Amino acid sequence: QQQVKQSPQSLIVQKGGISIINCAYENTAFDYFPWYQQFPGKGPALLIAIRPDVSEKKEGRFTISFNKSAKQFSLHIMDSQPGDSATYFCAASGGSSYKLIFGSGTRLLVRP
Amino acid sequence: DTGVSQDPRHKITKRGQNVTFRCDPISEHNRLYWYRQTLGQGPEFLTYFQNEAQLEKSRLLSDRFSAERPKGSFSTLEIQRTEQGDSAMYLCASSLPPGDSGNTIYFGEGSWLTVV
Repeated sequence: QQQVKQSPQSLIVQKGGISIINCAYENTAFDYFPWYQQFPGKGPALLIAIRPDVSEKKEGRFTISFNKSAKQFSLHIMDSQPGDSATYFCAASGGSSYKLIFGSGTRLLVRP
Repeated sequence: DTGVSQDPRHKITKRGQNVTFRCDPISEHNRLYWYRQTLGQGPEFLTYFQNEAQLEKSRLLSDRFSAERPKGSFSTLEIQRTEQGDSAMYLCASSLPPGDSGNTIYFGEGSWLTVV
């Protein structure tokens, strides 16, 4: 019940295209769903986050879509750029600890 | 730089030796977390502190691991009698107290451990 399942494992997109990464969770106590971006050799950096009281959140080229009934959420990267090439992790947390449960990651490659 | 700071960034040690990592959180963040990340995997929660109190420990944190935050500021993570399976990146993170923005967790750059 603590798992967060992420797909695809890897993704190749042409510059200017849309990158879509999906995550699913089981624990209905989760109430915070962030996405982190990680470059090789670096720590994860918060990209965007959503709470279950909204179905969509947009920040620049990044959008989270959230489907509470299906217990799924996704990250959309519009107009993908080579600089977006990184590993993306979805995560979820709930309760007083705020500890994050991470998905297994998606390696995104944006070709010029 | 006022982000989460970790030291050392890289450590190579022989099997059986002890290692210690240090984390300095963002100032005014009273919560501090330790995670472990292996190649190709997402970070896994190890433990967290609120001020100096260690409030939760994962079952991943075996008896050879100990974490402290003696004055509620910096934290140390010690691994005794290291094993090759301990090779990973150890990530520290911090967050504000519970509140509207309390969920946001900021990570450091990590400390890479290689056990040979």
